[in-house]
Amino acid sequence: GESVGLHLPTLSVQEGDNSIINCAYSNSASDYFIWYKQESGKGPQFIIDIRSNMDKRQGQRVTVLLNKTVKHLSLQIAATQPGDSAVYFCAENNRYNQGGKLIFGQGTELSVKP
Amino acid sequence: DSGVTQTPKHLITATGQRVTLRCSPRSGDLSVYWYQQSLDQGLQFLIQYYNGEERAKGNILERFSAQQFPDLHSELNLSSLELGDSALYFCASSPHPDQPQHFGDGTRLSIL
Repeated sequence: GESVGLHLPTLSVQEGDNSIINCAYSNSASDYFIWYKQESGKGPQFIIDIRSNMDKRQGQRVTVLLNKTVKHLSLQIAATQPGDSAVYFCAENNRYNQGGKLIFGQGTELSVKP
Repeated sequence: DSGVTQTPKHLITATGQRVTLRCSPRSGDLSVYWYQQSLDQGLQFLIQYYNGEERAKGNILERFSAQQFPDLHSELNLSSLELGDSALYFCASSPHPDQPQHFGDGTRLSIL
C-alpha cells in the first residue's frame, strides 16, 4: 500500500544541538512535500514545505532537503530548543492525481534534553 | 492557533450511534480536508472539499459522509459507530489545494 517513511523512531538531542529528522517516501510521482510538528493534545502544525522542482528550502531555524533520486526527505532544526520537543511528520502529495490528499509518515518523536 | 476551529473537542458515545463533527476553516480558505488519527493507522486522509465540491476521497468508510456548506464550514458525519472508530478526527484548510494545509486541534471521539 501507500506509505511514507517512518516507524516512529525517537531522536534525543541536547539543547543547542542541531537535529536531523529523516523520511523516506515511496511514490516517485509525488511532487509536494511538507513537514508538520505535533505536540500532545494539538493538531499538526505546519513547519515548512518544498516542491519537487527544488532540493532545498530554508525557514526560520529549519531547512528541508529533498533528494528525489533516492526518494528521501529530511528536516534539519538548528539550535534545538526544549520547545521543539514533539512528534514530527513528513507528508507527500501528488497534486495532479490525488488533489489535496496528504500521505503521512508514521512520525518521529524528538526529545530535547536541557 | 491555526485559525481552524473544530467542535466538539471531545465526544463520547456508544456503538451504533451517529455523530456530527464540525469544522470552521481559516478565513478565506476554500479547501477543507478531514483526517483520522489512530494509534495503529497513523494520520489517514478521509476526504477533501473545495468551495463546496468534493475534490478527493481517501479510504473513507461508507458509514462516513461529509459536506461543505456555502459558508465554507464543513461537517463530518459518522454513523453506525463501531469501537474501532475511536480516534482523533482532524480538519485542515487551505486557500487552494496547491497550498499548505493548516490543521485544527481535532475532535477526540471515544466509542464505549
